[in-house]
Amino acid sequence: AQKVTQAQTEISVVEKEDVTLDCVYETRDTTYYLFWYKQPPSGELVFLIRRNSFDEQNEISGRYSWNFQKSTSSFNFTITASQVVDSAVYFCALSFTSGTYKYIFGTGTRLKVLA
Amino acid sequence: GAGVSQTPSNKVTEKGKYVELRCDPISGHTALYWYRQSLGQGPEFLIYFQGTGAADDSGLPNDRFFAVRPEGSVSTLKIQRTERGDSAVYLCASSPGTSGTQYFGPGTRLTVL
Repeated sequence: AQKVTQAQTEISVVEKEDVTLDCVYETRDTTYYLFWYKQPPSGELVFLIRRNSFDEQNEISGRYSWNFQKSTSSFNFTITASQVVDSAVYFCALSFTSGTYKYIFGTGTRLKVLA
Repeated sequence: GAGVSQTPSNKVTEKGKYVELRCDPISGHTALYWYRQSLGQGPEFLIYFQGTGAADDSGLPNDRFFAVRPEGSVSTLKIQRTERGDSAVYLCASSPGTSGTQYFGPGTRLTVL
């Protein structure tokens, strides 16, 4: 089965706290892509990162960092020193390197950052 | 440059009516995708175009749904005999190639009364 699980439905933090959003995926494919998207209240999905299954290096971009662990099929996303503007729904998605390249999305995690 | 655009942004229709939703992808992007997002859920795949042809329409829920992309650019999602269960946000995405990152439009919110 191809599946993405985001077990955290909603998280609330106070501004400047660090927060980690969990993503666990299932696939039988040996090569695949993983993504994170942000969906602010305006509704448009904003691309954050793409990771190839061959590349297990963690990545940092400003206050954002991603931890990819193939052994546990997880691709977690951490926001350091959260800000009110980080409030949004965050989606993790899985795609493949052949066929249609369609995305399989998780159900999303709603992050609320309180001032 | 311009992103993916979708029109209309909102569409309210009555049960049984026909609707068309339009997607204008990023210029030069050959791959185009339609997804449907119900309240509180992640987007679900509907159909994928590579150029003018529908390479995968396995996500279309039934034969009331149809999509075209006649010139390999703009795409139209068509829904016949709309039902209340069709109410959702319909998202369009494009990518520069078959394995490229997908860039999403703002969506069309469809409400069937």
